[in-house]
Amino acid sequence: AQSVTQPDIHITVSEGASLELRCNYSYGATPYLFWYVQSPGQGLQLLLKYFSGDTLVQGIKGFEAEFKRSQSSFNLRKPSVHWSDAAEYFCAVGSTGGGNKLTFGTGTQLKVEL
Amino acid sequence: DAGVIQSPRHEVTEMGQEVTLRCKPISGHNSLFWYRQTMMRGLELLIYFNNNVPIDDSGMPEDRFSAKMPNASFSTLKIQPSEPRDSAVYFCASSLTSGRSNEQFFGPGTRLTVL
Repeated sequence: AQSVTQPDIHITVSEGASLELRCNYSYGATPYLFWYVQSPGQGLQLLLKYFSGDTLVQGIKGFEAEFKRSQSSFNLRKPSVHWSDAAEYFCAVGSTGGGNKLTFGTGTQLKVEL
Repeated sequence: DAGVIQSPRHEVTEMGQEVTLRCKPISGHNSLFWYRQTMMRGLELLIYFNNNVPIDDSGMPEDRFSAKMPNASFSTLKIQPSEPRDSAVYFCASSLTSGRSNEQFFGPGTRLTVL
């Protein structure tokens, strides 16, 4: 069964600092990987996704993520964080064959200090 | 384009009452998902449909919960009778899938409070 681990429950960074949110997955084949963001009181919004090809994926709002098969990781990065990036971030893994559901991690709450 | 539409946005009810949550997926999408989000348990998949057919309902907590999708543009999640522990935010999501996972588009959620 596929699974996702987000080891950091909370992260605090200063505005303008760089950010890296960790995500590790467990899946038998090449996974489909996603990062979502949830602002308070809102639904989840897709930041970026990886299906195949270039392992460095660019997303919206200046975010990027890198798929590293050897480390089973898909970490999310942003070079300079803005106060509006404060939100909860979810990593998810999907099936490449059969089954349509995504398995979500438990989320990382990002706080941005001004 | 209209995204996933959920109604109501907020629902406050008393224990024992029936609650019905509604979802309109994005037109053309063929998969629909119901999630529940709480502080304690995070984001949980309750059930999902593919082409209006329930595929996996293993996340439905108990018989008090039921979900239907009578057509491609409408789904309901019903709780009868409701209990205080059902208080949560319920999300509906839809996607266009063809045997593999694809990105899901989430609605704004329904915040349910059972007193």
